[in-house]
Amino acid sequence: DAGVIQSPRHEVTEMGQEVTLRCKPISGHDYLFWYRQTMMRGLELLIYFNNNVPIDDSGMPEDRFSAKMPNASFSTLKIQPSEPRDSAVYFCASSSGLEQYFGPGTRLTVT
Amino acid sequence: TQLLEQSPQFLSIQEGENLTVYCNSSSVFSSLQWYRQEPGEGPVLLVTVVTGGEVKKLKRLTFQFGDARKDSSLHITAAQPGDTGLYLCAGERAGGTSYGKLTFGQGTILTVHP
Repeated sequence: DAGVIQSPRHEVTEMGQEVTLRCKPISGHDYLFWYRQTMMRGLELLIYFNNNVPIDDSGMPEDRFSAKMPNASFSTLKIQPSEPRDSAVYFCASSSGLEQYFGPGTRLTVT
Repeated sequence: TQLLEQSPQFLSIQEGENLTVYCNSSSVFSSLQWYRQEPGEGPVLLVTVVTGGEVKKLKRLTFQFGDARKDSSLHITAAQPGDTGLYLCAGERAGGTSYGKLTFGQGTILTVHP
């Protein structure tokens, strides 16, 4: 069974550009989480969904960040406009209970 | 201030040594998990503990949940180079309204030298 799939694996963009990160959760999981990981701040929860509905977006840093989950098998995290301080590894995770399964992450570099 | 404080932040040891990583909080957790992350990959779940005082063993790894459910430890016996990685504790706060929401510690970077 495939795990959580994220794309792209690496993204390099210039400041001011729009960035869209994609995630396909594990089939049957009803929770989806977006995290950001940096050396300084560790792993931070940005937003999570239950049954495609956003439950808690208190970790979304600014209005420049938005996330959607149009159906049970797909979610996007969009940054518009991007800034250098957004450079980090972004992880998507899914679960059907306590245990979360992480994707391989997207390494975002904003120059 | 981190809700979950991990210590130490860095640990560099020789193969065969034993080690313990701690995860502490002033808050009560309904469950606590330990993850291991290798470079370029996402965290992978090692164990979940849900009962105060619970001890779980996974080969050379022993996990303990504190009696008051505010702290946890991970003990590795006879560490091997393959144990190298970032170890993260994560907990779901007791009494919270956001089921499934985990708070992560800052992590412990473990390096085991051959």
